[in-house]
Amino acid sequence: EVVLTQSPDTLSLSPGERATLSCRASQSISSSYLAWYQQKPGQAPRLLIFGASSRATDIPDNFSGSGSGTDFTLTITKLEPGDFAVYYCQHYGTSPATFGQGTRVEIK
Amino acid sequence: EIQLLESGGSLVQPGGSLRLSCAASGFSFSSYAMNWVRQAPGKGVECVSVINSAGIHTYYADSVKGRFTISRDNSKNTLYLQMDGLREEDTAIYYCARSAGTYTNNPLHYWGQGTLVTVSS
Repeated sequence: EVVLTQSPDTLSLSPGERATLSCRASQSISSSYLAWYQQKPGQAPRLLIFGASSRATDIPDNFSGSGSGTDFTLTITKLEPGDFAVYYCQHYGTSPATFGQGTRVEIK
Repeated sequence: EIQLLESGGSLVQPGGSLRLSCAASGFSFSSYAMNWVRQAPGKGVECVSVINSAGIHTYYADSVKGRFTISRDNSKNTLYLQMDGLREEDTAIYYCARSAGTYTNNPLHYWGQGTLVTVSS
């Protein structure tokens, strides 16, 4: 089973700043099977990125994903008030899929 | 509009059983793999089970294997999760989620709003 470890656990930033979230896999995985989700309080997660770098429908271009092998990154270029949330990476190359433990992006 | 509406969550005693349902609308249900994902209070998300579009292939997290059974009725556009031998650690919001394609190795494109299962004596 692929274990995903996200860092940091919490990121404290101000609106307008750049956020860089990391997801490390316990073994090399295909970038085709790496996704990122955003979850706001009281809501279900929302798909942001799939295939490591492809944005899902209606996701703005200030969200971008990159990486390969064991190291993947989600970047939010300029934080807006609605971007403060918890972010999860997911590996869906095996079933059922596995998620990282999440990174909380909070207002500094 | 794509909609996923979960139901069936409630308070149940340890060792009890529960069946969750997810009614789907707004898309061709029989063309997509479907998932159950749970989130314990204040915790992260865990994919509990997934079933392919035809209902032939099913997969389970080790934490529920042998106790939970996923199934689907494509004629009723409905996904199910039969939960037996429930434990306190199964307490969570259970989400129904649609995969992006027919097979199970796809990202989770659409989610329902969840149904709460509480296991407690």
